Amino acid sequence: GAGVSQSPSNKVTEKGKDVELRCDPISGHTALYWYRQSLGQGLEFLIYFQGNSAPDKSGLPSDRFSAERTGGSVSTLTIQRTQQEDSAVYLCASSPEGVGELFFGEGSRLTVL
Amino acid sequence: KQEVTQIPAALSVPEGENLVLNCSFTDSAIYNLQWFRQDPGKGLTSLLLIQSSQREQTSGRLNASLDKSSGRSTLYIAASQPGDSATYLCAVRPLSYGQNFVFGPGTRLSVLP
Repeated sequence: GAGVSQSPSNKVTEKGKDVELRCDPISGHTALYWYRQSLGQGLEFLIYFQGNSAPDKSGLPSDRFSAERTGGSVSTLTIQRTQQEDSAVYLCASSPEGVGELFFGEGSRLTVL
Repeated sequence: KQEVTQIPAALSVPEGENLVLNCSFTDSAIYNLQWFRQDPGKGLTSLLLIQSSQREQTSGRLNASLDKSSGRSTLYIAASQPGDSATYLCAVRPLSYGQNFVFGPGTRLSVLP
């Protein structure tokens, strides 16, 4: 596609529900990243994929968070049993190879009531 | 551990002024450095990417320099406009920490008409 696409753009859920956030990277980009940005805060790294494998999962805040990537393309970030502190904007980015330019999507804004 | 800082945290200037934003990083072993802008409620937009072997990059009214040995980069914005108002972030891709970018906290710029 022309850019990194994320869906949904906005998600409101109740505490304890599971949510899935989707990222469709730029076609041909092998590296994919997930970040979280809380209101007024900086970027918090969550996970990095190279192809379908995730060499760096160090940023996932708890075992309620998981992510997968299939076909070297689309990635899904899943948050189980959501908590209010999970409310944030979840940003996805991709790059063409290991050391290329990073491109971001518009983000998915998650609100947990 | 690589750390990235940005000074100032916030800046307000009248329209037409030339300005400089600063980015410092603690470990000079980097692949590249990238500057982004972020508008409120939006994702990050890539402005300039400087590879570790380069000294500067230019795009329109923007010029970014890199002094790897001193751990510094500057983003120069010429003839600022109200549309330049945004948060500007720099990020480095370290050699030693896999493929994960390290982001600075950003400089919030306001250009007053």
